[in-house]
Amino acid sequence: SSELTQDPAVSVALGQTVRITCQGDSLRSYYASWYQQKPGQAPVLVIYGKNNRPSGIPDRFSGSSSGNTASLTITGAQAEDEADYYCNSRDSSGNHPVFGGGTKLTVL
Amino acid sequence: QVQLVESGGGLVKPGGSLRLSCAASGFTFSDYYMSWIRQAPGKGLEWVSYISSSSSYTNYADSVKGRFTISRDNAKNSLYLQMNSLRAEDTAVYYCARPVSHSGYDFDYWGQGTLVTVSS
Repeated sequence: SSELTQDPAVSVALGQTVRITCQGDSLRSYYASWYQQKPGQAPVLVIYGKNNRPSGIPDRFSGSSSGNTASLTITGAQAEDEADYYCNSRDSSGNHPVFGGGTKLTVL
Repeated sequence: QVQLVESGGGLVKPGGSLRLSCAASGFTFSDYYMSWIRQAPGKGLEWVSYISSSSSYTNYADSVKGRFTISRDNAKNSLYLQMNSLRAEDTAVYYCARPVSHSGYDFDYWGQGTLVTVSS
């Protein structure tokens, strides 16, 4: 089992705001990063560090953290945001990367 | 632009071996740690291994420790994964990935992946 826990599935109405969460003890010490993955494609980094977006990622994606929980918020979800989302950080020892189990986002 | 291109995947019998390669371009390869990350069919992402920029340090997931060996050739801008004693549960798409910072634990560039199928 993963050291980072995500809800398996979340849905959001088109244009509304959705929060995808990731829980784990290591998140008390390290930031989470977030990836978007569409079927048949490699993951794409959407948020890293405190709340940084790589070039080309829309500003409707944002990240936050509190205690042992990191969150990815999509403000004004679009149809093209329907995808699997994975969080990533370090394991509890801080020695290697770990990924959450993923959240399937459906845009209604 | 940064490019990572994996190769070497295929069908292999349980107990067999396979060597994956990742050709890097568009950045100073020798400045970065590099990782292999895999994804079993219909499943989530699993970090497999990383190697330091100078090859002095490697680390492995418990699931592959003692069976897989990561290496790199900075002169050829290439990353490798030697996989021995393969099991059915090693069936996955294998990605090479570059961290955001030189030795970070998050990844801003990924290859397209190469599929490894372990089956008799």
